[in-house]
Amino acid sequence: NAGVMQNPRHLVRRRGQEARLRCSPVKGHSHVYWYRQLPEEGLKFMVYLQKENIIDESGMPKERFSAEFPKEGPSILRIQQVVRGDSAAYFCASSPTAGTGANVLTFGAGSRLTVL
Amino acid sequence: AQTVTQSQPEMSVQEAETVTLSCTYDTSESDYYLFWYKQPPSRQMILVIRQEAYKQQNATENRFSVNFQKAAKSFSLKISDSQLGDAAMYFCAYRSVGAGNMLTFGGGTRLMVKP
Repeated sequence: NAGVMQNPRHLVRRRGQEARLRCSPVKGHSHVYWYRQLPEEGLKFMVYLQKENIIDESGMPKERFSAEFPKEGPSILRIQQVVRGDSAAYFCASSPTAGTGANVLTFGAGSRLTVL
Repeated sequence: AQTVTQSQPEMSVQEAETVTLSCTYDTSESDYYLFWYKQPPSRQMILVIRQEAYKQQNATENRFSVNFQKAAKSFSLKISDSQLGDAAMYFCAYRSVGAGNMLTFGGGTRLMVKP
């Protein structure tokens, strides 16, 4: 019974390149969340997706960042033209429902992006 | 917008002793959820304990308990009989009712456990 799987665990990119981070939620979970953790800080919400829909992207930078959760396959967080400030750990989490009750998120182990 | 504040960047405790980590939050809502997450060096976020704001009784999970003071907007975590494996970053988090699962996290407290 696998948990949330994120890959790659570590990704190094040069400034201007693209970064793609993948997240496979817990089997049966249809709600995916992406959070970013800058060094020595707490996690910050970026985007909430259901299959084929972006529900809330209020925490995502308006430019260069995009996310998708297709009908088949993992959720993808894409960062175009990366800059040094994008260096962070990116966490994916999933839940079976929208969290109207005391549903708890299951987190992945994160993907650490380093921009040189 | 809600904010969560953890005023202790670092704490240390002797093995087998008790330690309390502080968390305060700011909200105008009357119903919400509060959580403590543990992040060991592996970076995996692990749920430690959760509290529904409408429940007056403080949540308890084995050696972990909370002191939830709704009027003071305070949600501290008490770890009893501390173990070496408790050493980690601890994050307090807030979630509105009906807000999906969007969590607002505090800045974290690094807990060191001395043998």
